[in-house]
Amino acid sequence: QQPVQSPQAVILREGEDAVINCSSSKALYSVHWYRQKHGEAPVFLMILLKGGEQKGHEKISASFNEKKQQSSLYLTASQLSYSGTYFCGKGSNTGKLIFGQGTTLQVKP
Amino acid sequence: GAVVSQHPSWVICKSGTSVKIECRSLDFQATTMFWYRQFPKQSLMLMATSNEGSKATYEQGVEKDKFLINHASLTLSTLTVTSAHPEDSSFYICSAPTLAGGSYEQYFGPGTRLTVT
Repeated sequence: QQPVQSPQAVILREGEDAVINCSSSKALYSVHWYRQKHGEAPVFLMILLKGGEQKGHEKISASFNEKKQQSSLYLTASQLSYSGTYFCGKGSNTGKLIFGQGTTLQVKP
Repeated sequence: GAVVSQHPSWVICKSGTSVKIECRSLDFQATTMFWYRQFPKQSLMLMATSNEGSKATYEQGVEKDKFLINHASLTLSTLTVTSAHPEDSSFYICSAPTLAGGSYEQYFGPGTRLTVT
């Protein structure tokens, strides 16, 4: 089953924050976050494996709740380069990855 | 980091012809690769799992006789779209996983844009 993302779309001004959620009805083995620019392949952001885990790099971070059924991606002080479509992916112990429907983020000057 | 290449980057073909897309892992071996298809403004939909040395595993609703997958070696998987039709026009992306820190990290190829006229 495809994980469910919300919101579907976000429009921000530079410097504003955003949160993108990814949820599943069952516990996830792992959750992967990617950003995709138009016409390009997805770019890896991060993986979360453990319930309660949080990790981040610079102004982009993510969390995985204790039950491993929800993950959130946090974009702080957004930059124009953050624009794109963000996908969460449900990972498995075989390497298979099922993506959510995506969240389109547009950052305006 | 690991690099995955795809060839060609784009292809235009006539309806009824077949098209082959290659996916290569350049600096690592991949016994498994994955093929995705993405229509405009939609998510990446997993089509099939390519397995080196055995048959591919197709997701529900994907026609295995139309989308032929061959995992010829530990670094090469090919997807052949047979008897292509305009509705097969899409962005096809492959990925290869590597095991790191207890989980699989996926490395994606740059994608192949197929247009069927």
